[in-house]
Amino acid sequence: QQPVQSPQAVILREGEDAVINCSSSKALYSVHWYRQKHGEAPVFLMILLKGGEQKGHDKISASFNEKKQQSSLYLTASQLSYSGTYFCGTEESTSYGKLTFGQGTILTVHP
Amino acid sequence: DAGITQSPRHKVTETGTPVTLRCHQTENHRYMYWYRQDPGHGLRLIHYSYGVKDTDKGEVSDGYSVSRSKTEDFLLTLESATSSQTSVYFCAISDSEGLYSNQPQHFGDGTRLSIL
Repeated sequence: QQPVQSPQAVILREGEDAVINCSSSKALYSVHWYRQKHGEAPVFLMILLKGGEQKGHDKISASFNEKKQQSSLYLTASQLSYSGTYFCGTEESTSYGKLTFGQGTILTVHP
Repeated sequence: DAGITQSPRHKVTETGTPVTLRCHQTENHRYMYWYRQDPGHGLRLIHYSYGVKDTDKGEVSDGYSVSRSKTEDFLLTLESATSSQTSVYFCAISDSEGLYSNQPQHFGDGTRLSIL
C-alpha cells in the first residue's frame, strides 16, 4: 500500500529548514529516502531500519517511528542544490525486499 | 556511481508490438528491480529479482514479464505493448543481504518508452 507523503510541495529560501513526512498504514521494516531532479534518476539519501539503525548522508537527518509507521526527513539550512522531488519508499514487514514509494514531495529552494 | 546501464534509452513503437528493455549491472548485486514512473504516481514496482532465475511480481506486473538468466542482466518484456504502458522505466540494483532491503537501491538513467 502506497505511503502518504506530506506536504505535496514546499517552497523555501536558501538557509531555511524543511520537514517532509511519510506515513504508512502497514507495519514497516525499513524506510528509504531518495531525491530526484527533473529528467534524472532518483538518488539515494538515507535508509532507516527497524531497530534504529540508519545509513545515509551526514548532512541529512531523518527519524523513523516504528510504532506509528511514520518517518520524517529533515533538511536544514537548505541550499539551491536541495531542489527536487523527494520520495520515501517503505518496506513492509512482509514485503521482503520490495519498496513501495510515495507520490513525492516537490521541494523548491530559491536564492 | 553504481555500474548500471539501461538500453535503449529512448524507444518509440506501435501498439501490439513486443518490446524488451535491458538492464545490465557490473556490481554483482543480488537484487534487481524494474519500476515505471508516471506523473502523479511516483515510482511503481513492476517486477524484481533476488537472484538468477528468481523473480517476483510487483504492484503493476500485468502485461509485463521478466527474465534473469545471468547475475548482470535483467530483462523486461512487454509482450504486446499498449498505449497505457507509455512511461519512463527505471532499473535499480541493491546489494541487500538476506530477505530485507537493508542497502540502498541505485537507479539506472531510465528508458523513455512511447507507444503510439
